[in-house]
Amino acid sequence: GAGVSQSPSNKVTEKGKDVELRCDPISGHTALYWYRQSLGQGLEFLIYFQGNSAPDKSGLPSDRFSAERTGGSVSTLTIQRTQQEDSAVYLCASSLQGAQGYTFGSGTRLTVV
Amino acid sequence: QKEVEQNSGPLSVPEGAIASLNCTYSDRVSQSFFWYRQYSGKSPELIMSIYSNGDKEDGRFTAQLNKASQYVSLLIRDSQPSDSATYLCAVNRGGGGADGLTFGKGTHLIIQP
Repeated sequence: GAGVSQSPSNKVTEKGKDVELRCDPISGHTALYWYRQSLGQGLEFLIYFQGNSAPDKSGLPSDRFSAERTGGSVSTLTIQRTQQEDSAVYLCASSLQGAQGYTFGSGTRLTVV
Repeated sequence: QKEVEQNSGPLSVPEGAIASLNCTYSDRVSQSFFWYRQYSGKSPELIMSIYSNGDKEDGRFTAQLNKASQYVSLLIRDSQPSDSATYLCAVNRGGGGADGLTFGKGTHLIIQP
């Protein structure tokens, strides 16, 4: 597609529920990244994909967080048993190669109530 | 722990003046450096990249890199009210540059009409 597409744009969920966030990168971009940004805070790295593999999962905050990427394209970030501290904007980005600057999607604003 | 440090601001600059934004980073092997602009409620947008020591100019923007001092800066000439935003400095996380960026917390820039 023309840009990085994320869905849903907003998600309100009850504490303890599972949520799934989707990212559709720019066509042909092999590298895909997930970050999160809490209110007034910087960007926190979560996970990086090169193709379908995730060489670096070190940023995932807990084992409630997981991510996958299929077909070298769409990625989903799943948060199980959501907690209030998971509330943030989750941003996905993609790039042609890892060392290049990358393009962000518009994000998913997650609110856990 | 790889770190990227920025003054959070706000940095207030009169319209038409030069805005100077600074960033230091801790990892000497970092090779790629980026500046992103983030408007309130929006996702970050790449505005400049720099990979070698010296200056790189693009329109009203100039990025400056000094690897010996581990310092990167962004100059905005003829500042406009539309330049008011948070500016994020980003540095590649790995020595090879393939595994994502570490972001500073950003400098909030206000251009006063």
